[in-house]
Amino acid sequence: NAGVTQTPKFRVLKTGQSMTLLCAQDMNHEYMYWYRQDPGMGLRLIHYSVGEGTTAKGEVPDGYNVSRLKKQNFLLGLESAAPSQTSVYFCASSYSFQGLFSNQPQHFGDGTRLSIL
Amino acid sequence: KNEVEQSPQNLTAQEGEFITINCSYSVGISALHWLQQHPGGGIVSLFMLSSGKKKHGRLIATINIQEKHSSLHITASHPRDSAVYICGLTADPRQLTFGSGTQLTVLP
Repeated sequence: NAGVTQTPKFRVLKTGQSMTLLCAQDMNHEYMYWYRQDPGMGLRLIHYSVGEGTTAKGEVPDGYNVSRLKKQNFLLGLESAAPSQTSVYFCASSYSFQGLFSNQPQHFGDGTRLSIL
Repeated sequence: KNEVEQSPQNLTAQEGEFITINCSYSVGISALHWLQQHPGGGIVSLFMLSSGKKKHGRLIATINIQEKHSSLHITASHPRDSAVYICGLTADPRQLTFGSGTQLTVLP
């Protein structure tokens, strides 16, 4: 049972380059989330998805785009990477939006460490 | 913004000690979360609660809605409990906010 899988695990980019982070879950969860984690800042929600084909902005969406073409996959894109986007990115999934209408917790991936030079 | 404040930021304990980590928040919530982040970086959900108390093994989470405060207790602490413990909250509409975490080190 893989749970939530993130690829890649590490990446180094130059400023201005683009890339896509992939998150895949095998638990048939409706909701998926992308977070970034920075020292002293805690986890911050970038974007989330309430189901296939739908996405919504979180707390820090600027500079990122997302897509959910298939229920099991949630992609996070950086169109023009900036040093401020150096961070550890976590994907998570859950049956419903956390704490609303459900007692099911989020399941997290192992994270992607991204450095922008 | 600091809607979620955790204390202490760092905590060192001896094996066997009773540990308490505190979380205070400033908004109305639907649920409060406790997460554990292992030294390798992986994150696990420990508890999600909206009232009262929950217990899992040696871990206990409590919440006081009126005081906007939650605590995570670890009984008979062990070095394997060393991790970062993160408090977070869900608020309407669809807001998820997390604290910066408490680094716990349990010494043998």
